[in-house]
Amino acid sequence: GAVVSQHPSRVICKSGTSVKIECRSLDFQATTMFWYRQFPKKSLMLMATSNEGSKATYEQGVEKDKFLINHASLTLSTLTVTSAHPEDSSFYICSARDTGSGANVLTFGAGSRLTVL
Amino acid sequence: GQQLNQSPQSMFIQEGEDVSMNCTSSSIFNTWLWYKQDPGEGPVLLIALYKAGELTSNGRLTAQFGITRKDSFLNISASIPSDVGIYFCAGIGHSGTYKYIFGTGTRLKVLA
Repeated sequence: GAVVSQHPSRVICKSGTSVKIECRSLDFQATTMFWYRQFPKKSLMLMATSNEGSKATYEQGVEKDKFLINHASLTLSTLTVTSAHPEDSSFYICSARDTGSGANVLTFGAGSRLTVL
Repeated sequence: GQQLNQSPQSMFIQEGEDVSMNCTSSSIFNTWLWYKQDPGEGPVLLIALYKAGELTSNGRLTAQFGITRKDSFLNISASIPSDVGIYFCAGIGHSGTYKYIFGTGTRLKVLA
């Protein structure tokens, strides 16, 4: 089945630094990927839709300059948390749809836990 | 953001018992999905439902897409310890954008 890989799985950084999280679709192409944020014991909240070759679409209330998204190829989307602060600490999860499968479901990555000191 | 209401929020059950949880919305959805999330991991798809009234099974799991298209339930039969985790429903509306709306989650704990 479709597999989505996220890297790194855990990252700790100092306040003020930027952190990049990668989301890769393995063995399938994904023109669209999605980035979510999840707080402890809470549900997944969609942050943005990442579109290959074009600008990402951000959900209301999500700062596009804080969370930079780049989808430069059909298998890779990156989320960069710029000038990270402790309140950005969270579990970030990406998902992708196998556009060639015809299936109407998304496959999720294993998540990346960001801790900002 | 918009969310689906899931109930119960959490439950403790004895191993071997059946479990039922549901998901409701004020909006119509064209697709309902059920995912399970283990601690520190991403959600894994359990069952996808595409038609109102559809009843689908996956091993010990059974899920139904409500006739009104505003609800869905998930049943787990003969629960085992590895069923522990958080179960999320998710809905996709008319837009076909694959933007999931997630439920609030049901946390399941199975007592051996």
